Amino acid sequence: NAGVMQNPRHLVRRRGQEARLRCSPMKGHSHVYWYRQLPEEGLKFMVYLQKENIIDESGMPKERFSAEFPKEGPSILRIQQVVRGDSAAYFCASSPSAGPNTGELFFGEGSRLTVL
Amino acid sequence: AQSVTQLGSHVSVSEGALVLLRCNYSSSVPPYLFWYVQYPNQGLQLLLKYTSAATLVKGINGFEAEFKKSETSFHLTKPSAHMSDAAEYFCAVSDIGTSYGKLTFGQGTILTVHP
Repeated sequence: NAGVMQNPRHLVRRRGQEARLRCSPMKGHSHVYWYRQLPEEGLKFMVYLQKENIIDESGMPKERFSAEFPKEGPSILRIQQVVRGDSAAYFCASSPSAGPNTGELFFGEGSRLTVL
Repeated sequence: AQSVTQLGSHVSVSEGALVLLRCNYSSSVPPYLFWYVQYPNQGLQLLLKYTSAATLVKGINGFEAEFKKSETSFHLTKPSAHMSDAAEYFCAVSDIGTSYGKLTFGQGTILTVHP
C-alpha cells in the first residue's frame, strides 16, 4: 500500500521561473493538504483540497501560489515567478475523511525547493 | 487563533535516559493535540493524539503524552531513550471550528540520543 507520493523530491529553480510540485495521496484518500516548512520553523498550513475543490486556502500567499486537485491525477502546487524566499520544503499530506478526530495526516517525504 | 510552543529547540539525552519534550498550547476551547515525528529527509509520522478521551495517551515506539488542561500542556515522554529515537518532534493542535486536518505546528524539537 503505497504512501503519499511527492515529486520531485528536490527541485532547483532560478528566480522568476515556475515550480510545480506534485502529490498523489494514499489510495482511498480524497483529502489533500499542503504544508510549507521554512528553515528552522515548523510546518505551516497552506491549503486543503478535495477532488476538484479548494476547501480552505487561508494559508496560501495571495500572489504567485496556486493549488489544484483535479478529478484525475495528482494534486499540484504551483509557484509562479519564484523568489529566494520560496525556498523551503513543501509537504503534502492526505487523509481518508473529514469529521471529528481528524488530524491524523499521512505525510509524503516532501519536495525541497531551492531558488537560486 | 490557536498556537503551540515547544520549549527547547534541542534536547540531548543519553541512551536509556528519560525523554521529556515540552509542549504548551493556547486555545479558547479544548483542542485536539498531536505529536508527530520527522526523521531526516522524511515526512512526518503520527506518534500519538489526544481527542478528549483519556488524558494520558499512549503512542507508538513507547512514547506517551499527558494532557493537562490546567497547565495547557501536552508534554511527550518516554521512559528510556533509544538511539533510534533521534529525530525532530513536532507538537500540533487542530484548528477548532474546522472538522478537518488543518493543524498548527510548534517549531519542533530536535532530539539527540548519545550512546
